[in-house]
Amino acid sequence: AQSVAQPEDQVNVAEGNPLTVKCTYSVSGNPYLFWYVQYPNRGLQFLLKYITGDNLVKGSYGFEAEFNKSQTSFHLKKPSALVSDSALYFCAVRVSTDSWGKLQFGAGTQVVVTP
Amino acid sequence: GAGVSQSPSNKVTEKGKDVELRCDPISGHTALYWYRQSLGQGLEFLIYFQGNSAPDKSGLPSDRFSAERTGGSVSTLTIQRTQQEDSAVYLCASSSTSVGELFFGEGSRLTVL
Repeated sequence: AQSVAQPEDQVNVAEGNPLTVKCTYSVSGNPYLFWYVQYPNRGLQFLLKYITGDNLVKGSYGFEAEFNKSQTSFHLKKPSALVSDSALYFCAVRVSTDSWGKLQFGAGTQVVVTP
Repeated sequence: GAGVSQSPSNKVTEKGKDVELRCDPISGHTALYWYRQSLGQGLEFLIYFQGNSAPDKSGLPSDRFSAERTGGSVSTLTIQRTQQEDSAVYLCASSSTSVGELFFGEGSRLTVL
């Protein structure tokens, strides 16, 4: 069975400092990995994905993520956080053997960026 | 339309009543997904459609929940005899490729009194 874990319920960071949101996964095949952001009372917005190729993936709003197969991780990063980055972040995984199937989401990490 | 459209955006109902939630996916997207998000919680998968068929409906919580999709487009999630624990935001998403991202609607917030 596929699963994804986000070990931190909340991440606090000062504006201008680097932001990292952790994600680890467990799948039996090759993973397709995704990051989404959710602002209050809104749906989920897609940030970036890893399908194949370069391990460093760049996405929207200055975010990037690094796929690490040996550590089964896909951490989200931003070099300099903004107050407007405060939101709920979800990591998700889908396995290549069931590529049309559901995305399995992590529990989410609340990011709080203070001025 | 330009994005995934869900209606109603808010629904308040009494325990025991039936409700229908509608999802209109992005035009041309063959896959459609329903998720549920309880207050402050993560996303719980309910069901997904490929065309009009549902290869995976493993997440439906009970036989009070059902969903259908017609014409490879609009989908309806029906909850019969609603219970208070059904209160949540129901999110719909669609996708055009087998490996691509899901595009989410704004959700339907259901409150069962």
